[in-house]
Amino acid sequence: DAGVTQSPTHLIKTRGQQVTLRCSPKSGHDTVSWYQQALGQGPQFIFQYYEEEERQRGNFPDRFSGHQFPNYSSELNVNALLLGDSALYLCASSYRGGRGYTFGSGTRLTVV
Amino acid sequence: AQSVSQHNHHVILSEAASLELGCNYSYGGTVNLFWYVQYPGQHLQLLLKYFSGDPLVKGIKGFEAEFIKSKFSFNLRKPSVQWSDTAEYFCAINNDMRFGAGTRLTVKP
Repeated sequence: DAGVTQSPTHLIKTRGQQVTLRCSPKSGHDTVSWYQQALGQGPQFIFQYYEEEERQRGNFPDRFSGHQFPNYSSELNVNALLLGDSALYLCASSYRGGRGYTFGSGTRLTVV
Repeated sequence: AQSVSQHNHHVILSEAASLELGCNYSYGGTVNLFWYVQYPGQHLQLLLKYFSGDPLVKGIKGFEAEFIKSKFSFNLRKPSVQWSDTAEYFCAINNDMRFGAGTRLTVKP
């Protein structure tokens, strides 16, 4: 049990569509970060949410947006999907954004 | 800008061999360093972490890593690998977790 829950586990979308991925952090954690892991690559940092605000952002276009709710859960939204957005999307949580993260099992997004 | 380099893309070892996976980082400030492991079909798991103090860090499953500030390195080691260590290993830096590309370790029985 990873402690971090992501849904759905798998998703197939058509190019141009929009998608929402969800994450529930580990109990006691208040910070959520999102990563994109393409096949054979290391996870790439998308953004981090703390206190319902985006605190840091990686090199991803504005098509990638997110939200954090008062219960610390989070959503990742991707608009105008491209074939290149096909990847494993990982959510990770921590307390106050430090000291190592707990990762979820990810959502496998396939864009066709 | 901060970045992490893992130069070994795929390492193949026999059981009982010693392991060292390289990790070099680029960052001018104080660093927090991590090694994560991803077993086939499983989520990323924290192996060990370094924040300050003793540069030799011991983690789970017999792994250790040494922080060498002068070399900007944080190499992962294990004296004797097992078949069950077959996995992908990722080095990461700082609290927003900038990851390296990963090293795939295959241990032959």
